[in-house]
Amino acid sequence: DTEVTQTPKHLVMGMTNKKSLKCEQHMGHRAMYWYKQKAKKPPELMFVYSYEKLSINESVPSRFSPECPNSSLLNLHLHALQPEDSALYLCASSQERGAENIQYFGAGTRLSVL
Amino acid sequence: KQEVTQIPAALSVPEGENLVLNCSFTDSAIYNLQWFRQDPGKGLTSLLLIQSSQREQTSGRLNASLDKSSGRSTLYIAASQPGDSATYLCAVRPGANNLFFGTGTRLTVIP
Repeated sequence: DTEVTQTPKHLVMGMTNKKSLKCEQHMGHRAMYWYKQKAKKPPELMFVYSYEKLSINESVPSRFSPECPNSSLLNLHLHALQPEDSALYLCASSQERGAENIQYFGAGTRLSVL
Repeated sequence: KQEVTQIPAALSVPEGENLVLNCSFTDSAIYNLQWFRQDPGKGLTSLLLIQSSQREQTSGRLNASLDKSSGRSTLYIAASQPGDSATYLCAVRPGANNLFFGTGTRLTVIP
């Protein structure tokens, strides 16, 4: 099983809402990632968790707050977003942080901020 | 900063044709290079991963090559099928976690 599951698939929210994106994997991977992908652009790394600890934060605004409650779950909490935050948010996981480890991606959550 | 470019941006071919997608990167200090496929509005599917010490990898009708010193990789697709229609992304890994993605090539295979 090489599946990374993301929920919801689609999300529409207002600028004052609070919502969360969820990501789950059961491959025993210890590294998990959040990427943001704007239309017709490549994905850009946002956060990396390694062994449930935040190891990389690519200067992402504080209105995005990641959380890794356990080794299988990764959340992205959203608050006071802007319309320009509308994008496809992709979660990925890999066995460990090492460069030889393949990252497996979920199908993404398409977020629209009104 | 690493920059990854893919040419062409879009490609349309008739079914059955062999084709080559190109990827170039500016910094040759990479651990590996990975090719992904992305269907419209969907996530990424890993196709092939080439370690920096390798020259090529093959999987079925796909063959990827890597020339690290010149900063280039190619993805060769043999006997293309309509189901191959998708956007193909290459990504290089300069560090343990970073993946720098290319701009993508949108492939359409015409039946």
